[in-house]
Amino acid sequence: AQSVTQPDIHITVSEGASLELRCNYSYGATPYLFWYVQSPGQGLQLLLKYFSGDTLVQGIKGFEAEFKRSQSSFNLRKPSVHWSDAAEYFCAVVPSGKAAGNKLTFGGGTRVLVKP
Amino acid sequence: KAGVTQTPRYLIKTRGQQVTLSCSPISGHRSVSWYQQTPGQGLQFLFEYFSETQRNKGNFPGRFSGRQFSNSRSEMNVSTLELGDSALYLCASSLSAALKTGELFFGEGSRLTVL
Repeated sequence: AQSVTQPDIHITVSEGASLELRCNYSYGATPYLFWYVQSPGQGLQLLLKYFSGDTLVQGIKGFEAEFKRSQSSFNLRKPSVHWSDAAEYFCAVVPSGKAAGNKLTFGGGTRVLVKP
Repeated sequence: KAGVTQTPRYLIKTRGQQVTLSCSPISGHRSVSWYQQTPGQGLQFLFEYFSETQRNKGNFPGRFSGRQFSNSRSEMNVSTLELGDSALYLCASSLSAALKTGELFFGEGSRLTVL
């Protein structure tokens, strides 16, 4: 079955430290890949996306993600975390191709806490 | 440019009642999708509309329905509410019908509590 897994439910990181959030997917072919962020009481905001090409993708707010086909992974990273990065992060996929439309499948999310 | 607007933001219903949630997409966006977010099941796709036609449907019972109007505004309806329908319902709009050519913009959601 097609699935998206975020192994870490919670991560606590100190302000200024680096952050890496893991995402693994199980699909027949490489899907389109996304990372979204949800701040408390808010909707979701797109951080970055991968369709094809360069496997290192730059996003907003200083985030980047690396696609690794051999590991079926799309991990999100930030070199130096700010207190405002405390939020819940979701990895999401859409099967590549026209028929998929806008139907995203989300991982379970990783809640990030930032210590002063 | 106004974002995706969802109304109402909060509502409380009792079991057996029905509810209608509304979503106004970003101006010019023709695709509207709905997602349910719960602590137990996470984010799950409900359905997607494009130009008043349902293009995709998630794995939810027939009590969940939706529609899209000619101005792209969308409503979703849940009939015969159950306790398990308590959730944050998120609406997202996109300029296009394919994520490779259009980003999804999410509203802040409608939080439904069923008592």
